Amino acid sequence: QKEVEQDPGPLSVPEGAIVSLNCTYSNSAFQYFMWYRQYSRKGPELLMYTYSSGNKEDGRFTAQVDKSSKYISLFIRDSQPSDSATYLCAPGLYNFNKFYFGSGTKLNVKP
Amino acid sequence: EAQVTQNPRYLITVTGKKLTVTCSQNMNHEYMSWYRQDPGLGLRQIYYSMNVEVTDKGDVPEGYKVSRKEKRNFPLILESPSPNQTSLYFCASSTGSGQPQHFGDGTRLSIL
Repeated sequence: QKEVEQDPGPLSVPEGAIVSLNCTYSNSAFQYFMWYRQYSRKGPELLMYTYSSGNKEDGRFTAQVDKSSKYISLFIRDSQPSDSATYLCAPGLYNFNKFYFGSGTKLNVKP
Repeated sequence: EAQVTQNPRYLITVTGKKLTVTCSQNMNHEYMSWYRQDPGLGLRQIYYSMNVEVTDKGDVPEGYKVSRKEKRNFPLILESPSPNQTSLYFCASSTGSGQPQHFGDGTRLSIL
């Protein structure tokens, strides 16, 4: 079983839609939860970083963590064509040298 | 500007010809790491380094070598490249384990 599972998509939505991106993970010890955004021909860049269950909001983006279900989500409100990218979830452990990544969900927001 | 710089960005080479991909960061980060990214498999960690002269294997270290002689540099060495090492490679750095990573823009390697 993979440590982190993520639907690869692609997910295609019209501009202005609410987008929901999801990951499940197997290790109940994970302490922090990151989301990275990766544009084509670029490296991943940190989008959201949370370490507790519940919601964290940053502008149009909301990260949601449900530790009991081992389920993490990223919501994008009022999606824009500039949000078209691949989104990687990345749960992990502090003081642990290994990083885990989902395989990424490709999002296409159509004008 | 804080950045991780990889070179080359693109390389086509042949089986068995040694190559080095350089990585340099200007953020004084202690932790550096190399990943390969393949379709459907996501990012897989090759090697990482917690500090100068301290390196360790990640999930897929076979066929790769690294060194960390200076804090800012972390080159990836393929002594005898093979076609199954054709991939997109990323170098990343962070202040420490468990902290957000800054990624370079990637190196696309094609081994014929």
